Amino acid sequence: DVKVTQSSRYLVKRTGEKVFLECVQDMDHENMFWYRQDPGLGLRLIYFSYDVKMKEKGDIPEGYSVSREKKERFSLILESASTNQTSMYLCASSLTGIHTEAFFGQGTRLTVV
Amino acid sequence: SQQGEEDPQALSIQEGENATMNCSYKTSINNLQWYRQNSGRGLVHLILIRSNEREKHSGRLRVTLDTSKKSSSLLITASRAADTASYFCATDSDINNDMRFGAGTRLTVKP
Repeated sequence: DVKVTQSSRYLVKRTGEKVFLECVQDMDHENMFWYRQDPGLGLRLIYFSYDVKMKEKGDIPEGYSVSREKKERFSLILESASTNQTSMYLCASSLTGIHTEAFFGQGTRLTVV
Repeated sequence: SQQGEEDPQALSIQEGENATMNCSYKTSINNLQWYRQNSGRGLVHLILIRSNEREKHSGRLRVTLDTSKKSSSLLITASRAADTASYFCATDSDINNDMRFGAGTRLTVKP
């Protein structure tokens, strides 16, 4: 079974802190994604990566950056956390190809106080 | 911007009834997928329909796709209380590898 693992299930951080959310997948997938999920807004794409060291902005990249130094790991970085970044963060991965499904991690619920 | 938009936002039915959810999208796609999310968890893939397909079945799930109207529907037949979850459609553009979701439909199946 494909496994996508997010480093934390729950996280509480202070305003202004630098926050790292880690995601690891074990199926050699080329594509990896970070979404945030807020009530009534569904999943919004923050960044995605289609290869090591490659990244593309999604719809809401402001306030975030990403790192993909190894194929299996995709990190989301909040450079200076703010309260409006309190949300559920979901990581996903998929194979390259036009007919592939995505596999999701269990999510990280981040609260910024 | 979000690609898919589901409706209704919420749906409540009795066990045994059918549930239909709709999804509309904006741009050309390779595939349309449906995912399910139990409360506070990650999403699980249900079914994928390619842009050249019109209908697909998987167990109690039936998905249709109308590319001329840029819309899809998910039908769950003979619903069960365990089907209670949020359902999302997702589309990938025919330009790159990204994948975008709608706001989802919250389905409640009452026993």
